[in-house]
Amino acid sequence: GAVVSQHPSRVICKSGTSVKIECRSLDFQATTMFWYRQFPKQSLMLMATSNEGSKATYEQGVEKDKFLINHASLTLSTLTVTSAHPEDSSFYICSAIGSASGANVLTFGAGSRLTVL
Amino acid sequence: LAKTTQPISMDSYEGQEVNITCSHNNIATNDYITWYQQFPSQGPRFIIQGYKTKVTNEVASLFIPADRKSSTLSLPRVSLSDTAVYYCLVGSTSGTYKYIFGTGTRLKVLA
Repeated sequence: GAVVSQHPSRVICKSGTSVKIECRSLDFQATTMFWYRQFPKQSLMLMATSNEGSKATYEQGVEKDKFLINHASLTLSTLTVTSAHPEDSSFYICSAIGSASGANVLTFGAGSRLTVL
Repeated sequence: LAKTTQPISMDSYEGQEVNITCSHNNIATNDYITWYQQFPSQGPRFIIQGYKTKVTNEVASLFIPADRKSSTLSLPRVSLSDTAVYYCLVGSTSGTYKYIFGTGTRLKVLA
């Protein structure tokens, strides 16, 4: 079945530094990837949608200069949290959709927990 | 964009059948209905997907009425390990699409 790998699973960084999270579709080509963030006891909030080779589309209220998304290939998308601050601490989850995952099925990564000190 | 509404939480006992209903009044013609399960600190996991009528797989059934404005996920004989948050998601890959999560339903299975 379709598998999405997300790395790192946990990251702790100091305030002001940048952190990169990778999302890879292992056995299918992901035409579109989605990035979500989730706070404790809350639902997933869509941050942005990215298509391979084009700029990401950000949801209202999400700072594009803060959360840089690069979808350079059909199997890799990255989310970089720039100049991270404690309020950016959250659980970030990527998902991908492509032909092997099912035409309308999102396959999710395991998530990355970011803690900013 | 179809917005989904689900009960915030449900309790059940082991061995019982659990039905979770999701309302999606603004569902579009091309939209599919997909249910996911999420455990703490994990990504959501696919359970079942349908477009209309009834779909069944090895873990669940999905009932969708003719007007498609709602759907019901049915989990037969739940166990403690089914304690999780369940989300219904509505969307499609036709045209401009995005997948917005609702509140989800927090299911707690009691012994």
